[in-house]
Amino acid sequence: DAGVIQSPRHEVTEMGQEVTLRCKPISGHDYLFWYRQTMMRGLELLIYFNNNVPIDDSGMPEDRFSAKMPNASFSTLKIQPSEPRDSAVYFCASSFAGASWPVYNEQFFGPGTRLTVL
Amino acid sequence: KQEVTQIPAALSVPEGENLVLNCSFTDSAIYNLQWFRQDPGKGLTSLLLIQSSQREQTSGRLNASLDKSSGRSTLYIAASQPGDSATYLCAVKSNYKLTFGKGTLLTVNP
Repeated sequence: DAGVIQSPRHEVTEMGQEVTLRCKPISGHDYLFWYRQTMMRGLELLIYFNNNVPIDDSGMPEDRFSAKMPNASFSTLKIQPSEPRDSAVYFCASSFAGASWPVYNEQFFGPGTRLTVL
Repeated sequence: KQEVTQIPAALSVPEGENLVLNCSFTDSAIYNLQWFRQDPGKGLTSLLLIQSSQREQTSGRLNASLDKSSGRSTLYIAASQPGDSATYLCAVKSNYKLTFGKGTLLTVNP
């Protein structure tokens, strides 16, 4: 398996523009997570899905952020409008837990998207 | 709210030395604890996962221990190598979420 795939790897945009980050989880995984990493706050969970359904979005910082998972092999994180303080590395992760959730839940991370908002 | 602290924030050692990285968490009601490695500009690689009922896990030169009651975990790296240089992150699973520490930046000097 190719692992978790994220695109683009780098994104530079101007304040006010819409940004869409993409993620393809590992095939067969039933959980998908979006994280943000900054120097100040470290890694923070933004939202996670189970079987394509959003379960907890309490980490989404503002209404400018939205995430979707239209099918088991694709998810997007959208920021509209973007602001300089959104600059960070955004990671997508997936895991398979099935009936053992939440006990056994090793998460596999993608390479991340480095977002710079000017 | 779960909080995870990693000490030290940075560590520099000569090649061949054995070393210990520390992780502490405030809420002992956890499902598991996971250690990750992050190389510059890269994603996270899972190293070891310890279930709450376990005391330790081993993989090659790595050994992770868990003392849930005291809220502590250690990652022991034996015979360190320059290739071990990276940031090591500890994450605990509680309330259905992973909470991460800010990591320890390890540099192993040849």
